[in-house]
Amino acid sequence: AQSVSQHNHHVILSEAASLELGCNYSYGGTVNLFWYVQYPGQHLQLLLKYFSGDPLVKGIKGFEAEFIKSKFSFNLRKPSVQWSDTAEYFCAVNRNTDKLIFGTGTRLQVFP
Amino acid sequence: NAGVTQTPKFRILKIGQSMTLQCTQDMNHNYMYWYRQDPGMGLKLIYYSVGAGITDKGEVPNGYNVSRSTTEDFPLRLELAAPSQTSVYFCASSYQQSSGANVLTFGAGSRLTVL
Repeated sequence: AQSVSQHNHHVILSEAASLELGCNYSYGGTVNLFWYVQYPGQHLQLLLKYFSGDPLVKGIKGFEAEFIKSKFSFNLRKPSVQWSDTAEYFCAVNRNTDKLIFGTGTRLQVFP
Repeated sequence: NAGVTQTPKFRILKIGQSMTLQCTQDMNHNYMYWYRQDPGMGLKLIYYSVGAGITDKGEVPNGYNVSRSTTEDFPLRLELAAPSQTSVYFCASSYQQSSGANVLTFGAGSRLTVL
């Protein structure tokens, strides 16, 4: 069965540190890739998405992600995190109009 | 533009009670979804709909029912509430991009506790 793995369950960083959150998927073929963010007490919001083209995708708030097809990965990065980035981050994958499958999420805590 | 609206935001149920979580979207999206979110488990798809009159099971449909009589509304029904259904429920809707992919818009969530 298709699956999405986020190996970092809980990440703690100081402000200005660099961030990389891992995401691997088990789908074959062409996929659509997403990162969603959930700030404390809020609903999920789209951070960035990849459908095709340049494998380096830039999203909101300085986040970016790189699609590496050979590694079945779509890691999320940010060069310098802020306290306001404290949130839970979800990777999600689907093919065409198939159901969107979410990873288990990574909780990020950023301390001033 | 309200987006996806869920009611209620909080609810406490006794075991065996029934209730309906309401979901309405005003974006004319064809696709609608119900997810549940549990700590450390991410989001699991309960049911989804690709259009009015069409529904299908997701990963964890047991104990739930849905209907889609209109494009706007996608209610989720719990017939006999059980403690295992204690969770946060998110409704979402989406449009189909030219690539065929869907981008989901989520509601604010409904926190349900079954005691």
